[in-house]
Amino acid sequence: EVQLVESGGGLIQPGGSLRLSCAASGFSVSSSYMSWVRQAPGKGLEWVSIIYSDGSIYYTDSVKGRFTISRDNSQNTLNLQMNSLRAEDTAVYYCTRYCSGGSWCLDYWGQGTLVTVSS
Amino acid sequence: QSALTQPRSVSGSPGQSVIISCTGTYRDVGFYDSVSWYQQHPGKAPKLMVYDVSKRPSGVPDRFSGSKSGNTASLTISGLQAEDEADYYCCSYAGTYTPNVFGTGTTVTVL
Repeated sequence: EVQLVESGGGLIQPGGSLRLSCAASGFSVSSSYMSWVRQAPGKGLEWVSIIYSDGSIYYTDSVKGRFTISRDNSQNTLNLQMNSLRAEDTAVYYCTRYCSGGSWCLDYWGQGTLVTVSS
Repeated sequence: QSALTQPRSVSGSPGQSVIISCTGTYRDVGFYDSVSWYQQHPGKAPKLMVYDVSKRPSGVPDRFSGSKSGNTASLTISGLQAEDEADYYCCSYAGTYTPNVFGTGTTVTVL
């Protein structure tokens, strides 16, 4: 059974850093396309970053230079290192897996972890 | 890349049909047949309901159907049920560098 379980969220001051992790089971993170999607309180979904199976990485413009996506193949985890955090980064962060077979849908989502950036 | 445009809310009585539109541009919805729809209940993670414009994952009721015309995709919920009350988001592929552009979200209310 496929499962994604995020951890690492919490309250952090502006300018601070936080590292989110996503423990995957039932499939291989290294063989999949994986993304982080976030949702600010009361707002819509926003794609944040992707890591392709070949290791290519891309980010939405607002987090470029501040966030780093990575994966640990030995632990089968997906990570998101978030630096220079801003109030506007406050959101629930979801770890997601792309559908297989060439489709660009997101078939599995974690339960989400809340990041609150506030002084 | 701007968010896709959805109506803020739609409503219908049990048994009726509702249609949610999702308007993008020639760079996303209009160019790729990779539109997906997600259902989100309060406090829960989104759930995939339709992918590749009109395909349904296993387990999703056939009351949910998708279509696309030009730059606009649509999700139709037929035979509306109380448990369909939720937020719905469309999403389109927009290229290698920005694989997912989400819609603004629509709240479906069952009267």
